[in-house]
Formats: sequence, C-alpha cells, structure tokens
Amino acid sequence: AQSVTQPDIHITVSEGASLELRCNYSYGATPYLFWYVQSPGQGLQLLLKYFSGDTLVQGIKGFEAEFKRSQSSFNLRKPSVHWSDAAEYFCAGGGAAGNKLTFGGGTRVLVKP
Amino acid sequence: GAVVSQHPSRVICKSGTSVKIECRSLDFQATTMFWYRQFPKQSLMLMATSNEGSKATYEQGVEKDKFLINHASLTLSTLTVTSAHPEDSSFYICSATNRTGLNSPLHFGNGTRLTVT
Repeated sequence: AQSVTQPDIHITVSEGASLELRCNYSYGATPYLFWYVQSPGQGLQLLLKYFSGDTLVQGIKGFEAEFKRSQSSFNLRKPSVHWSDAAEYFCAGGGAAGNKLTFGGGTRVLVKP
Repeated sequence: GAVVSQHPSRVICKSGTSVKIECRSLDFQATTMFWYRQFPKQSLMLMATSNEGSKATYEQGVEKDKFLINHASLTLSTLTVTSAHPEDSSFYICSATNRTGLNSPLHFGNGTRLTVT
C-alpha cells in the first residue's frame, strides 16, 4: 500500500539554527512528493513539490527538499529557522491517480527564541 | 494567486442537527474538489473527491449518507454533515484544482472547525 511516513512528531529548534524534517515514502513507482505547512487553525500552504528532474527542490520561505530514491526519502530543510516557521509540516505523496494525496502524520515544529 | 474560500471557519452545533460547509474557488473553475478531515494532532485523511456535475467518490470507511457532498457548479462544493454527533467534531478542509493530474495546482481552503455538543 502507498504510504508516507514522518518519523518525528515534534521537533524543537532554536531560532537561527538549521532544521531538517524527515519524510519517507512507500510507493510502487516514484511518486509525486509535496511538502505543506499548516499554521494553527489554518489550511495548508504548499512549500515545494517534486515531480522529476533535479532531486534538490527549492521552495518558498527559504525551504528546500532533496529526493533520495535509494533511501525513499524526501527530507525538508531550512538553513536558518525564523520564529514564524513554527507550524505543522506535512509531507504528502501521490501516484498516477489524479490529485489524490496521501499525507504523512505531520511534524510540529517549535522554535525557541 | 488562486484562492479557495471555506465557510464557515468555525461552527458549533447540537447533536442531531445537520451542518453545511461551503468550499468556493474564487478566481478559477474547480473541476475537482477534495474534502479532508483532520482530527486533533493528526494528519489529513481524504474523505471524498468530487467532480463538478457528478457524484462524489468516497474513500473507504466514509459514510456517504452521513457526509453529503454536492459539487453543483465549477466554483462551489458543499459538505453536509447530517445528524451530527460529538464524534464528528473535527477540522474539515477542502482543496480544489482546475485540472487533473498531480502537476495541477492544488489549493486548500482554511478549514472549518466543527464542534458538536
């Protein structure tokens, strides 16, 4: 079965420090992969997506993600975290069946001053 | 950019009543809309996919008679929670796109917090 896993439920990081959020996928073929951010009580905002080509993907708000087929991973990174980055982050994947996405469990990021 | 408006943002209703949630695409024609449900501190679970002018496709385990979805126009889809019970309390989020395929932009509404007392 297709699945997306985010191993870390919570991550606390100091402001200005780097951040890496893990995402692993299980699909029969290379899936389309996405990272979304959700602020409390809000909908989802797309940070970046990977379909094919360059495995290092640049997104908005200074985020990037790297697709690693050998590790079935699509980890999200940011070199220097700002307090406004505190939110819930979701990795999502989709196959060929249109726009149906499977979401990971989410990682809540807390930013310490 | 493309905007999806979801209304209401919060609703409290009594057990046994029905609640309607609207999802509107404001500046594009949404051929397909998706409805998700999110329990506290959990991920989004797809409930159903609705295509304009046709019946919604429900995910396994989602009661179609309880969660009525209507997508009568290219800019509006509604989710009606019928005979709501406290266990239906959740955060409901819609998303919309104007094309098929995963390369199509998918725009999310801001969600509706439903509390059933």
